[in-house]
Amino acid sequence: GAGVSQSPSNKVTEKGKDVELRCDPISGHTALYWYRQSLGQGLEFLIYFQGNSAPDKSGLPSDRFSAERTGGSVSTLTIQRTQQEDSAVYLCASSLSSGEVNEKLFFGSGTQLSVL
Amino acid sequence: DAKTTQPPSMDCAEGRAANLPCNHSTISGNEYVYWYRQIHSQGPQYIIHGLKNNETNEMASLIITEDRKSSTLILPHATLRDTAVYYCIVMRHGGSNYKLTFGKGTLLTVNP
Repeated sequence: GAGVSQSPSNKVTEKGKDVELRCDPISGHTALYWYRQSLGQGLEFLIYFQGNSAPDKSGLPSDRFSAERTGGSVSTLTIQRTQQEDSAVYLCASSLSSGEVNEKLFFGSGTQLSVL
Repeated sequence: DAKTTQPPSMDCAEGRAANLPCNHSTISGNEYVYWYRQIHSQGPQYIIHGLKNNETNEMASLIITEDRKSSTLILPHATLRDTAVYYCIVMRHGGSNYKLTFGKGTLLTVNP
């Protein structure tokens, strides 16, 4: 498909377990973003990757959260020792570039994470 | 980045035009107005954006007032599938604009 793909679509885990969320951006998009959306709330920025530059991790809420992007394409968001407050929809987006005239972001359908 | 104000909810009859307002009175000269929407259980979807001039694409029209302090998104013939939360954001291109926050938006309900 041509869109941003995220997996799994749903993840239920127990408190204290680690989880990995995957994002496949649109081919050719150099910018990749992770956001979090809690129930009834707006989007919360987590982390941003742009090409080979160092990622902007300033939105990560704690050191239990980390993300990597391998080969400038697929990205994985890892949450260690999950807590109930981590329950949310985790959204990934990609764009051709940041700083260009066209700043359209293309979002995936998200991963619904539920921590019991 | 400038903040925006939107009504929390609106209703529209199917087939009629939906006009969604947004106030952005503190917008700067180099900030664009963007609209996204989020249909239930999906990620946000880009609709349209503009700087000063009115814009139109296959999805919607964007009307920006001359002083740029407010704008209106127009869906000319709303369908049931247009029921979604609509987000208005303002941002400049470049820098750390990716840290955009969508706020709570307007829940548009299109009724049959």
